[in-house]
Amino acid sequence: RKEVEQDPGPFNVPEGATVAFNCTYSNSASQSFFWYRQDCRKEPKLLMSVYSSGNEDGRFTAQLNRASQYISLLIRDSKLSDSATYLCVVNRDYGGSQGNLIFGKGTKLSVKP
Amino acid sequence: DAGVTQSPTHLIKTRGQQVTLRCSPKSGHDTVSWYQQALGQGPQFIFQYYEEEERQRGNFPDRFSGHQFPNYSSELNVNALLLGDSALYLCACSVGGGAVGKQYFGPGTRLTVT
Repeated sequence: RKEVEQDPGPFNVPEGATVAFNCTYSNSASQSFFWYRQDCRKEPKLLMSVYSSGNEDGRFTAQLNRASQYISLLIRDSKLSDSATYLCVVNRDYGGSQGNLIFGKGTKLSVKP
Repeated sequence: DAGVTQSPTHLIKTRGQQVTLRCSPKSGHDTVSWYQQALGQGPQFIFQYYEEEERQRGNFPDRFSGHQFPNYSSELNVNALLLGDSALYLCACSVGGGAVGKQYFGPGTRLTVT
């Protein structure tokens, strides 16, 4: 089983739609959680961190459920420019120092006019 | 302030050869991590360098080695290349030996092994 698993996608939605991505992680010791965005043939870029209390950044809302080891990302009023691959990312803590980032495979979103 | 830079952008090698990839982090970012991203997959952690030492390593064979220089720049070396080493190699920089999500990725080096 992969340490971070995401919806396989692809998601094809019309402009203005609301779309939700889900992600589960297997290591209960995971400490930090993120969503990264990766455009085609580009590097990943941090979209937002995810906190247990939930957090919102404009049209984007991220949620974390530690008990279920589940992370979500909601995009409202989707734009053509939201088309990208969304990567769920978990950070493990190795012996007190913050560890490397563990990425899911990513979910591809395509927003159509 | 220049972002993270990597060189070369593209590279074609044949099986059995050796390759060296380079990364220059953002100013003041002293920690460099390397990731391998195969087509259709998320990036996989190779190793992390801080204070010129390898601090953590992912599940990659010894054919993958690295180095960090006093100016924080880093190299990734891969020996005895295999077809399966074809991937996008990303370096990411952060501050202070940690990787609490605030990693800034370079544009990557796309390696093709034939």
